[in-house]
Amino acid sequence: QKEVEQDPGPLSVPEGAIVSLNCTYSNSAFQYFMWYRQYSRKGPELLMYTYSSGNKEDGRFTAQVDKSSKYISLFIRDSQPSDSATYLCAMSALNYGQNFVFGPGTRLSVLP
Amino acid sequence: NAGVTQTPKFQVLKTGQSMTLQCAQDMNHNSMYWYRQDPGMGLRLIYYSASEGTTDKGEVPNGYNVSRLNKREFSLRLESAAPSQTSVYFCASSFRPFTEEKLFFGSGTQLSVL
Repeated sequence: QKEVEQDPGPLSVPEGAIVSLNCTYSNSAFQYFMWYRQYSRKGPELLMYTYSSGNKEDGRFTAQVDKSSKYISLFIRDSQPSDSATYLCAMSALNYGQNFVFGPGTRLSVLP
Repeated sequence: NAGVTQTPKFQVLKTGQSMTLQCAQDMNHNSMYWYRQDPGMGLRLIYYSASEGTTDKGEVPNGYNVSRLNKREFSLRLESAAPSQTSVYFCASSFRPFTEEKLFFGSGTQLSVL
């Protein structure tokens, strides 16, 4: 079992749809949870960061963490064609080596 | 503000050839990293430098060497390239190593080893 799993997609939605992107993980020590967005032929850029469980909202984006289920989600409201990208979840823990663990990414296409 | 700059953007090597990937950041960050990205695998850490003068192995260091030339620059060397090293390589930087601070990534180097 991979340490972090993510549906690779591709996921295609119409403009204006609500998008749900998800990751599951196996290591209960993870405390920091991040979502990166990666446009084609570009490096990833941080979208959202949360610590431990709960929700965090930033504009059209909401990140949710459920540590009891080892499950994190990123919701995108009113999706736009400019949201078309690959979304990577990443997580880390204090005292867990020196590394972030990244999911393989979900490719999202928002169709106009 | 350039951020993290990687060169070259594309490279084709023959098996056994060597090359160095260059990375420079202009954000006065202390920590720098080299990742590789392969389909279905996610980003995997090759080497990192927590601060100037230090380097450490990551998850997949075999076949690679690194040099932290100064605070700005962190290079990755393939001494004898193998087809298994065909990948997209990303350099990243941050103020502190492996904290909740975000990583700033370069645009990547697409490497093919024939």
